[in-house]
Formats: sequence, C-alpha cells, structure tokens
Amino acid sequence: KNEVEQSPQNLTAQEGEFITINCSYSVGISALHWLQQHPGGGIVSLFMLSSGKKKHGRLIATINIQEKHSSLHITASHPRDSAVYICAVSPPTSGSRLTFGEGTQLTVNP
Amino acid sequence: SAVISQKPSRDICQRGTSLTIQCQVDSQVTMMFWYRQQPGQSLTLIATANQGSEATYESGFVIDKFPISRPNLTFSTLTVSNMSPEDSSIYLCSVEVGGGAFFGQGTRLTVV
Repeated sequence: KNEVEQSPQNLTAQEGEFITINCSYSVGISALHWLQQHPGGGIVSLFMLSSGKKKHGRLIATINIQEKHSSLHITASHPRDSAVYICAVSPPTSGSRLTFGEGTQLTVNP
Repeated sequence: SAVISQKPSRDICQRGTSLTIQCQVDSQVTMMFWYRQQPGQSLTLIATANQGSEATYESGFVIDKFPISRPNLTFSTLTVSNMSPEDSSIYLCSVEVGGGAFFGQGTRLTVV
C-alpha cells in the first residue's frame, strides 16, 4: 500500500463542472502539497497545507489532519485545467524528501 | 518562493551517450532534489544534492550512472550516463523554500 494514495486516477469532466480530487496518506506529515503537471512535464505548486482550507481563484484545497485526508476542488472547470494533479506530503523532518501520490489525470472537455 | 531554471527542456539522445541537465535557482538553498518520472508513473527521488558534500543517492540509483555536481548554493547538475532506452523519462530538480516545494520545468529525455 502506497503511503500517499489519490483518487480517482483518471477524471473526465465537461467544462463548467465542479471537480474533486482526493488524497489520503498514512504517514505523519508536516505539510501536504498539491501540484499541477502539464504535458510538457513542468510542475507548478498549487497549495501547501498544514491545516484547514486554502483558496486561490477557482481552486480550493482542504485538509483533515485527524482523518489524514485532503481534497482539491476546482470550481467552474475549464479545458485549460486539463493536467495531472499530484498530491505530495512532507515528512515531519525538515528538509526531507517529498512522498508523492500517483497523480490524477484530469481532462476537461469543452 | 523560488524560481528554478532547468535546461534542456527536452532532448533525444543516442544510447551509450551521456546528457547533463542543469538547474539554476534564484535563491540560495541548502538541498536540491533530483527526481525521475518514468512514463505514466509518479516521481521517484534519485538523489539529494548538498553543497560541499557528496550527493545522497536513493536505493536503486548509483553515482556512476547519475553523477551530480553542486558547486554552489544556487546551481546543480545531474548527468545521465551511458544511456539506454530505459532511461527515457522526465527528470526534474526541486527545492524546498519556506516549507513550499518548487520545481524546474523538467527535462523530457528520449533515448533511441
């Protein structure tokens, strides 16, 4: 069993739909990251969470530390949101490497 | 935050040759991380590069195959040596600043 698990693996939506991607982890963490990877390979950091909820534009990320679960929501989805979304966790030890989920391939059709 | 410039963005290489990937960070950082992402898979850590000391390699990765340089606190290189088609992957460098994770643009390597 992976230490970080995401669901679903693949998600296809119509433009305008509300999208949720889930992440569960089984290890202690200091923070959880949501990352976006476009087809070219580059990765952009969307959020870093240690508690509660963060919002940036149409993106919302939540984390429940007790349940070891996080969700990434996209409101009013758009084709340009099509990408791989990756959940990653930072261990409690500072400077240590991230542990990554397998990623969720999101395709938003016009 | 941190901005990382990684190059080349992509390359097609002949088997048996070597490719050096460079990452330049716009601020000084103690550790830089090098990852490999094989097709359809998530990121796997190759090694952690510390300035002034040898890189620390993860299980399954060795210095002879992936030599790393870290001449100062803003720059690092990863070389993929004696390449085979199995080395075809995306290679990414990363740093952690202020608790956030920042990545280079990635190098998409194809070995033919």
